[in-house]
Amino acid sequence: KAGVTQTPRYLIKTRGQQVTLSCSPISGHRSVSWYQQTPGQGLQFLFEYFSETQRNKGNFPGRFSGRQFSNSRSEMNVSTLELGDSALYLCASSLVGTDTQYFGPGTRLTVL
Amino acid sequence: DAKTTQPPSMDCAEGRAANLPCNHSTISGNEYVYWYRQIHSQGPQYIIHGLKNNETNEMASLIITEDRKSSTLILPHATLRDTAVYYCIEVNTNAGKSTFGDGTTLTVKP
Repeated sequence: KAGVTQTPRYLIKTRGQQVTLSCSPISGHRSVSWYQQTPGQGLQFLFEYFSETQRNKGNFPGRFSGRQFSNSRSEMNVSTLELGDSALYLCASSLVGTDTQYFGPGTRLTVL
Repeated sequence: DAKTTQPPSMDCAEGRAANLPCNHSTISGNEYVYWYRQIHSQGPQYIIHGLKNNETNEMASLIITEDRKSSTLILPHATLRDTAVYYCIEVNTNAGKSTFGDGTTLTVKP
């Protein structure tokens, strides 16, 4: 069974731009969570989606948003990029009724 | 903020058992203890989880104290490929999110 895939793997943007990252969960997984990882703050929870609905949200500004499609694929969007948004963005999926998360390889975003 | 406490780093000789401790002094009755590891620049990988009983799988063993305030992840025969950051986290099914701390950087040395 294929693992969680994330596209693109690497991305370079400039301040003020916006970016959309994509995540395809493991087949059959309907819950998708997003995390931001930076050297200073570690792994921080962004939000979780289940059945196209945001179920939980972390402490991030409204510039960070996401959505989930009917096939469970998810996207996250960051608008008005800031230098501090440079990070590894990780997506994780899980089966209904379990809390075990399976992470993708991440998207490395660099904001110049 | 992370609720678990782990030593920042540990070393282990190749072929020996690696015992990674975790304190979760504020864990509540319905929270599971999960362990993940992250090899440099990759996504975290699930290792094992438990509620109150000790658990074992093909990767590791998890020992949880009777009062559930601490746990130990055991890699029975560490290899160089086990060098990674190991995270111990508490998971509340109802909360739906996982709070990761800084983890323990395990370095397996030849």
